[in-house]
Amino acid sequence: EDQVTQSPEALRLQEGESSSLNCSYTVSGLRGLFWYRQDPGKGPEFLFTLYSAGEEKEKERLKATLTKKESFLHITAPKPEDSATYLCAVQANYGQNFVFGPGTRLSVLP
Amino acid sequence: NAGVTQTPKFRILKIGQSMTLQCAQDMNHNYMYWYRQDPGMGLKLIYYSVGAGITDKGEVPNGYNVSRSTTEDFPLRLELAAPSQTSVYFCASSLAGPPVPYEQYFGPGTRLTVT
Repeated sequence: EDQVTQSPEALRLQEGESSSLNCSYTVSGLRGLFWYRQDPGKGPEFLFTLYSAGEEKEKERLKATLTKKESFLHITAPKPEDSATYLCAVQANYGQNFVFGPGTRLSVLP
Repeated sequence: NAGVTQTPKFRILKIGQSMTLQCAQDMNHNYMYWYRQDPGMGLKLIYYSVGAGITDKGEVPNGYNVSRSTTEDFPLRLELAAPSQTSVYFCASSLAGPPVPYEQYFGPGTRLTVT
């Protein structure tokens, strides 16, 4: 059974304090791994797609990396506006649909 | 482009009532999806559609029905509402689907409470 876990469940950072969020997955062949940002009361907003181990994508203060078992979302010098829940999802080779992790709730304090 | 829109934003239902959650997209996407999101859980797929007239069950379809008569619209019907259907419902769409991994774009959600 395909599974996605995320850690930590919640993370509080001071503004400027860099850190990483983890997404671990178990699938029978990965077609793609997706990162989303979700603000309270809103729908998930697409950030990145990663396709193969070793791949990296960047956007502003965010950098996503991928290995054969997990993905990291690195946040460099975060700002309060980066506070949100970050969701990870995978699509398996044979699967029709996404499998989502439970998310990491990030709070960046000024 | 408005993207993916959903109505209503909030709704309270009594047990046994029925309702339809509306979803529309203006991106000419073929694939559309309905998810529910419960606290501490990942998004769970209810139903999806690969094009007008074609729908299929996801992981948690019981208690729901869908139809897709146009490319733009994908309504979700709740029959005989139960407290277990209290959740936040998201509609999403993507240009294409498996085997190519396309990102999905989400609407703002409908918060439903069944009492």
